[in-house]
Amino acid sequence: EIVLTQSPATLSLSPGDRATLSCRASQSVSSYLAWYQQKPGQAPRLLIYDASNRATGIPARFSGSGSGTDFTLTISSLEPEDFAVYYCQQRSTWPLFGGGTKVEIK
Amino acid sequence: QVQLQESGPGLVKPSQTFSLTCTVSGASINSTIYYWSWIRQHPGKGLEWIGYIYYSGSTYYNPSLESRVTISVDTSKNQFSLKLTSVTAADTAVYYCARERLFPHWIDPWGQGTLVTVSS
Repeated sequence: EIVLTQSPATLSLSPGDRATLSCRASQSVSSYLAWYQQKPGQAPRLLIYDASNRATGIPARFSGSGSGTDFTLTISSLEPEDFAVYYCQQRSTWPLFGGGTKVEIK
Repeated sequence: QVQLQESGPGLVKPSQTFSLTCTVSGASINSTIYYWSWIRQHPGKGLEWIGYIYYSGSTYYNPSLESRVTISVDTSKNQFSLKLTSVTAADTAVYYCARERLFPHWIDPWGQGTLVTVSS
C-alpha cells in the first residue's frame, strides 16, 4: 500500500503570501496524483488532477507539479478564501489520501 | 451542474447495519465514464475511500472494509447506496458520496456529507 505523507501539517501564512505544500509518496505514483481543498463543514473540492492539471473553474493561482514520489501544490498569492485544509490523493490499487495540510491565517 | 445528496440515519447502534443512499441530479448514473463512490471522514481526521460502483453493478471496495460493505445501484432512481454491517464506534464518521473518474483519475463532485454516529 502506497502511503502519502504531507508536509507541513500546518502552514501559517498571511493573505498575499505564497503557499507551498508538499506531498511525498512511499513509492512512485507516476503523475497520478490529485489535490483537494476542504473548508470547515464542507466537502472536499477537486483542485488538481494528474499532478498538474487544474480542474474546471479552479483559479490560476493554484498550480501543481511533480512526478514519481514528490509533488507540490503552490498557491501563488493567498486569497482569504484559500485558508483551508488541503489533501493529496493517489490511486494505485484504490484511492488513498494524505493526512492533509492546514493553511491557516498567521 | 452535477449534484449528489446523501440521505440516511444519523444514529446507529453498535453491531447493527446502516444504509445510506446518494441521489444524483444533473447527470445520469448510467454513464460509461464515471464510477460512483463512497468516502468517509472520521471526526477531525482524514479521508478514507470506501468503494465504488459502476452503473452495470460491478464494484470495488477498500480491502480494509470489504467484508462489511455493500454498494448497490438503482439506475431507475439515479441513486446508489452504501450498506455497512456490524458497525462499531470506529465507524462514526461523515460519509460522502461522490463521482469518480478513473482515467484521468479524480473524484468530483462530492455530496455535502452526512454524519453517522454509532452509539448505544
